Amino acid sequence: AQKVTQAQTEISVVEKEDVTLDCVYETRDTTYYLFWYKQPPSGELVFLIRRNSFDEQNEISGRYSWNFQKSTSSFNFTITASQVVDSAVYFCALSADMIKAAGNKLTFGGGTRVLVKP
Amino acid sequence: EAGVAQSPRYKIIEKRQSVAFWCNPISGHATLYWYQQILGQGPKLLIQFQNNGVVDDSQLPKDRFSAERLKGVDSTLKIQPAKLEDSAVYLCASSLEASLQETQYFGPGTRLLVL
Repeated sequence: AQKVTQAQTEISVVEKEDVTLDCVYETRDTTYYLFWYKQPPSGELVFLIRRNSFDEQNEISGRYSWNFQKSTSSFNFTITASQVVDSAVYFCALSADMIKAAGNKLTFGGGTRVLVKP
Repeated sequence: EAGVAQSPRYKIIEKRQSVAFWCNPISGHATLYWYQQILGQGPKLLIQFQNNGVVDDSQLPKDRFSAERLKGVDSTLKIQPAKLEDSAVYLCASSLEASLQETQYFGPGTRLLVL
């Protein structure tokens, strides 16, 4: 079975601090994709990044960076120099397909709420 | 490019009433998904369409939930009759096709409150 765990339910930081969100996943598939989404108070899920299981290179996009480690089944997300606008709930998700005909649903973690205080 | 559109944004009904939600995916996206997000949890897939065919509805409570995508574009999700535990945000998403690497793009959701 597929599972995504985000152990941190809420993180509170002061503006300009760095914040790291943990994501641990479980799957028996060898081919899978990992995603991060941001859900601001407006409610819409905003796509941030996609990573496939064969690409373990870390990625940086502006103040965002991602650390994918297959050995520990983790795909962690760091926001550097946080800003108030980063306040949102962040979801890690997994797309894997043990039964090839069963579609490509996303399995989401429970989310981590990030509160950035000015 | 327009994103995924959903309506209504909010709906309040009493239990045992029926309700319907509408979704218009991104133009050209063949795959459409309905997710249910209960407060404090991550979204869970209810049903996935590829064009107008169902790919996965294993998590859809079929005794009260139904969905259709008759012309392979817009979709409607219906609940009849609603229960208190159906209070949630219903998210529609779309992707170019139904493959693992395809990014799913989400609409703003419909917040349903069942009293």
